[in-house]
Amino acid sequence: DAGVIQSPRHEVTEMGQEVTLRCKPISGHDYLFWYRQTMMRGLELLIYFNNNVPIDDSGMPEDRFSAKMPNASFSTLKIQPSEPRDSAVYFCASSFPVAGGNEQFFGPGTRLTVL
Amino acid sequence: AQSVAQPEDQVNVAEGNPLTVKCTYSVSGNPYLFWYVQYPNRGLQFLLKYITGDNLVKGSYGFEAEFNKSQTSFHLKKPSALVSDSALYFCAVRDTGRRALTFGSGTRLQVQP
Repeated sequence: DAGVIQSPRHEVTEMGQEVTLRCKPISGHDYLFWYRQTMMRGLELLIYFNNNVPIDDSGMPEDRFSAKMPNASFSTLKIQPSEPRDSAVYFCASSFPVAGGNEQFFGPGTRLTVL
Repeated sequence: AQSVAQPEDQVNVAEGNPLTVKCTYSVSGNPYLFWYVQYPNRGLQFLLKYITGDNLVKGSYGFEAEFNKSQTSFHLKKPSALVSDSALYFCAVRDTGRRALTFGSGTRLQVQP
């Protein structure tokens, strides 16, 4: 398996523009997580899905952020409109339920820069 | 609410010496504990986990971690450090009621040759 795939790897955009980040989880994994990593705030959970259904979106910063998972092999994280403070590395991770505990497999991340 | 503390921003150790990266946690139920490593410009990689059973857990690349319930700690250890172990290490926790992990702030490990 190729692992969790994220695209693009790097995105530079101007304030006010719409940004869409994409994720393909590992086949067979039924949990998908979106994280954001910054120097100031560390690694934050934004939202996670189980069987394509959003379970917990309490970490989504504000209404400018939205996430979808239309099928088991694809998810998007959209920021509209983008702001400079959204600059961060965004990670997608997936896992399958293992009795007792689930390790998450992370993608390589998308480095977003909003000018 | 669950939380994780990594008290050291950076740990420096000489190659060949033992290393310890500290982690303490707080959860309402029984903890599931994890260690991840992040190399520059890469995603996090799973190292090891504690679910139940033996307090000493062995993981990838010669790393191990010791679960101490009374001290609510889960320190990462390695008997002999390598320069290639230099990276950012994250401790994470979840309780039995939630699927999502809560990560610590990370500890940068620097192994000097």
